[in-house]
Amino acid sequence: DVKVTQSSRYLVKRTGEKVFLECVQDMDHENMFWYRQDPGLGLRLIYFSYDVKMKEKGDIPEGYSVSREKKERFSLILESASTNQTSMYLCASQGQAWEQYFGPGTRLTVT
Amino acid sequence: AQSVTQLDSQVPVFEEAPVELRCNYSSSVSVYLFWYVQYPNQGLQLLLKYLSGSTLVKGINGFEAEFNKSQTSFHLRKPSVHISDTAEYFCAVSNSGTYKYIFGTGTRLKVLA
Repeated sequence: DVKVTQSSRYLVKRTGEKVFLECVQDMDHENMFWYRQDPGLGLRLIYFSYDVKMKEKGDIPEGYSVSREKKERFSLILESASTNQTSMYLCASQGQAWEQYFGPGTRLTVT
Repeated sequence: AQSVTQLDSQVPVFEEAPVELRCNYSSSVSVYLFWYVQYPNQGLQLLLKYLSGSTLVKGINGFEAEFNKSQTSFHLRKPSVHISDTAEYFCAVSNSGTYKYIFGTGTRLKVLA
């Protein structure tokens, strides 16, 4: 079974802090994704990566950056956290048959 | 632009009753369609997918969905629900051959005893 893990389930940070969210997949997938999930808005794509060091902006990239130095690891970075970035963050990797496999999510609170 | 509509934000249903969760999409090109389930405090889990072929797709946990191209719909059904089916369900669509999914806003299914 594909396993996608995220570094933290719950995180509390202060406004202005730099925040790192890490995601690791164990299936050698090329494509990986970061989403944020907010009530009533569903999942919105922040960034995705289709290979090591390759990335593309999603629908809401403002205030975020990403890093993919190794195939199995995809990191989301909040350069200067703000309260409007309080959300659930979900990482996913994509298999050969187009399905996406999700991690358990990180619930980030910025105070 | 491509979009996905899940008209029902919440669906209450009694245990052992049938349920249908609706999903409509807008796209002028060939699409792949997915249903995911999210249990409380967990990530999303794939229920089923349509890529091509038979328009009736069977998934895990007794769920099935039917792709209707003329109505641009992909409704999810289960003939008899259990308490354990209480969760949020998301429909997603992607243009064939592209990475990007568009998700609906989700339908919260609450199964009542």
